[in-house]
Amino acid sequence: EAGVAQSPRYKIIEKRQSVAFWCNPISGHATLYWYQQILGQGPKLLIQFQNNGVVDDSQLPKDRFSAERLKGVDSTLKIQPAKLEDSAVYLCASSLDGRAETQYFGPGTRLLVL
Amino acid sequence: AQTVTQSQPEMSVQEAETVTLSCTYDTSESDYYLFWYKQPPSRQMILVIRQEAYKQQNATENRFSVNFQKAAKSFSLKISDSQLGDAAMYFCAYGGNTGKLIFGQGTTLQVKP
Repeated sequence: EAGVAQSPRYKIIEKRQSVAFWCNPISGHATLYWYQQILGQGPKLLIQFQNNGVVDDSQLPKDRFSAERLKGVDSTLKIQPAKLEDSAVYLCASSLDGRAETQYFGPGTRLLVL
Repeated sequence: AQTVTQSQPEMSVQEAETVTLSCTYDTSESDYYLFWYKQPPSRQMILVIRQEAYKQQNATENRFSVNFQKAAKSFSLKISDSQLGDAAMYFCAYGGNTGKLIFGQGTTLQVKP
């Protein structure tokens, strides 16, 4: 079974530029999560999708971050414009159907904002 | 709001020995799930073990076992017969009603040969 795929693996940009990350969850998984992991900390949820609907985006900085999950499969997370404090690893995870289900993580995208 | 605390930023263990990683959490929910995830330097987060709060029996997965104390809101991970490949960052995580995970700060485990 293929795991959660993410791209790119690494990205370096300058502040005020824009960047986009892509995630392809495990086939058949209805729930998709984006987490932000700052160096030395545990991941924090940015947004949770159930199929193509948003369940929780309370921690998403909506003035600069946006995410979509068209057709309930792939998802894209965008930052525009990026700030220095956005430097982090962005992890995508998926689960069969949300609550109580184990989440499977992708390899992450490491973002460095200069 | 739920919180997860890992009070040991770093731990070390000799190969083949046993080590216990600590985790405490706070919640007002009665039904929830607890997880231990491992994150090696390659950064792929891997599930180690999970525990359903309604189960009294502690979960076990090969060399990994937990000590779940619901009243004390404690959820420690015991690694027996430690191997070099166990070296990683370990995260304790809480999963509640919404499905999202709340992670602790992590514990870096070093395994000495």
